[in-house]
Amino acid sequence: GNSVTQMEGPVTLSEEAFLTINCTYTATGYPSLFWYVQYPGEGLQLLLKATKADDKGSNKGFEATYRKETTSFHLEKGSVQVSDSAVYFCALTPSGGYQKVTFGTGTKLQVIP
Amino acid sequence: NAGVMQNPRHLVRRRGQEARLRCSPMKGHSHVYWYRQLPEEGLKFMVYLQKENIIDESGMPKERFSAEFPKEGPSILRIQQVVRGDSAAYFCASSPSLETRDNEQFFGPGTRLTVL
Repeated sequence: GNSVTQMEGPVTLSEEAFLTINCTYTATGYPSLFWYVQYPGEGLQLLLKATKADDKGSNKGFEATYRKETTSFHLEKGSVQVSDSAVYFCALTPSGGYQKVTFGTGTKLQVIP
Repeated sequence: NAGVMQNPRHLVRRRGQEARLRCSPMKGHSHVYWYRQLPEEGLKFMVYLQKENIIDESGMPKERFSAEFPKEGPSILRIQQVVRGDSAAYFCASSPSLETRDNEQFFGPGTRLTVL
């Protein structure tokens, strides 16, 4: 079956530091890949997505590139802010059939001033 | 254009009571998904519904849990005889159709169920 593995947190960074959160996946075919963000006490918001190999998703300074050869979709940001503190979920939907989302376990990011 | 609505946002029940969670999808969306997030864990798929039909309930416990999405009104996730292990955040998501491969699901704010 499909699965998503992401690095365990929590990740603690100083403001303006570089962020990488690793994500790898297992799926047949060509799934669509997503990063969702969950701020404290809130629901999930789509941060970015990529639907085919070599696509780069980007939003709010975050970006991730769909790497088919390494089955990865690592999240990066060049300079994090305190307001980026949240839990980040890597996820995928399969290439065929309906779009059940498979989530990773989430990585908590804490940015300190 | 309202997003996915869920209510209540917080629900407290005692063991043995029933919990009813409601989800109103975005306007024009006919597909609803329910997910459960246990404390300190990711979201797990529970059930996928279209209007009046359950398409996939492979992630839903076989007992005490049921879901519906009637022709009129919101989708309902019902948990009978709740136990402490049911305490979690329950998220609903909706999508418009399956006609496009790039088919984003839009999530509601969740219902946080606490069982005393």
